[in-house]
Amino acid sequence: NAGVTQTPKFQVLKTGQSMTLQCAQDMNHEYMSWYRQDPGMGLRLIHYSVGAGITDQGEVPNGYNVSRSTTEDFPLRLLSAAPSQTSVYFCASSYGVHSGRDSPLHFGNGTRLTVT
Amino acid sequence: SQKIEQNSEALNIQEGKTATLTCNYTNYSPAYLQWYRQDPGRGPVFLLLIRENEKEKRKERLKVTFDTTLKQSLFHITASQPADSATYLCALTSSNTGKLIFGQGTTLQVKP
Repeated sequence: NAGVTQTPKFQVLKTGQSMTLQCAQDMNHEYMSWYRQDPGMGLRLIHYSVGAGITDQGEVPNGYNVSRSTTEDFPLRLLSAAPSQTSVYFCASSYGVHSGRDSPLHFGNGTRLTVT
Repeated sequence: SQKIEQNSEALNIQEGKTATLTCNYTNYSPAYLQWYRQDPGRGPVFLLLIRENEKEKRKERLKVTFDTTLKQSLFHITASQPADSATYLCALTSSNTGKLIFGQGTTLQVKP
């Protein structure tokens, strides 16, 4: 079991460029989510999905898009990168459709994104 | 406003002692509270989950308490080891929204 795999590990973008952060899990988890982690801010939820074809916004969704065409994959798209999106991004999944109840989150090892 | 607060200052203790980390929250009615460990350059790893009707949970050298009156959870590591050095995050599930909210984390440094 690979768990949750995120690619790339590091990325540098110029303002206005677009990119997709990839996330895949091999645990057949229904729930998947994206967080960003900034110093002093804790992990903040960007978008989440409770199953294929279903996505919803989290706490800080602006500037990001997601889709969930399969159970395994949950990519995060930045359409026009801004310096404020410089952060470490984590993908996480859990067995249950309600994160944090009886189903703890399994995290990937993150993508460190710098926007100049 | 709703807040989860963990001590932003690093906690430094001597090997073999008990480390106690604090998680305070305001304006939440959490149904569940979790603790995660995060090492530098890695994603958080789940440690323990405690429900609102549980006072205490243990796993090996780890113990978590949950006091809904004080709005506080304490995380204890007994017989601490240098390998326990990491950042520890608390997270709670709001019974209102069902969403999982994280604190900023407290860094623990165990000195040999």
